[in-house]
Amino acid sequence: NAGVTQTPKFRILKIGQSMTLQCAQDMNHNYMYWYRQDPGMGLKLIYYSVGAGITDKGEVPNGYNVSRSTTEDFPLRLELAAPSQTSVYFCASSDRGQTRNTEAFFGQGTRLTVV
Amino acid sequence: AQSVTQLDSQVPVFEEAPVELRCNYSSSVSVYLFWYVQYPNQGLQLLLKYLSGSTLVKGINGFEAEFNKSQTSFHLRKPSVHISDTAEYFCAVSERGSQGNLIFGKGTKLSVKP
Repeated sequence: NAGVTQTPKFRILKIGQSMTLQCAQDMNHNYMYWYRQDPGMGLKLIYYSVGAGITDKGEVPNGYNVSRSTTEDFPLRLELAAPSQTSVYFCASSDRGQTRNTEAFFGQGTRLTVV
Repeated sequence: AQSVTQLDSQVPVFEEAPVELRCNYSSSVSVYLFWYVQYPNQGLQLLLKYLSGSTLVKGINGFEAEFNKSQTSFHLRKPSVHISDTAEYFCAVSERGSQGNLIFGKGTKLSVKP
């Protein structure tokens, strides 16, 4: 049971570069989320999706984009990396829309450093 | 707007001692409540959740939490901790009727010493 899989685990980017953080889940969950975690700050929601083709902004969306072409995948795109985007990124999914069980399952995280 | 306050950023405790990690929340509507644990360099794992019903909730690894609506609190407790409980613990809330977005506290680092 893979659950939520994130790739890569680590990445170093130069300022101005772009990259895509991959997230895939195999639990057939409708809801998917991207959070960033900064030291001492907890997790902040970047974007979320309630199903294929539907995405919406969270608390800190600036500098990021997402797409949801399939139920399984929810990639996060950084177009012009900035040092402020140095963080640990977590993808999560839940089946809230199907069973009203609001538990979110998290991936292992992607540690991104922008230099 | 919702918010979650974890009152202690760090809690050191000796092995086999009891521990309580405090969490208060603010919301204008009913909420679901969660505690997650994060071991070093790992993702978040659900410890327990309160959706409705009994206000005392039991979770994995011997943890429990009590929902107190009047005090808007959801404190996490364990009667006897182990070295392996050393981790960061996050309290989170989700508004009923929302898209399931979690609002997290800033976390409490539990350090269990021998």
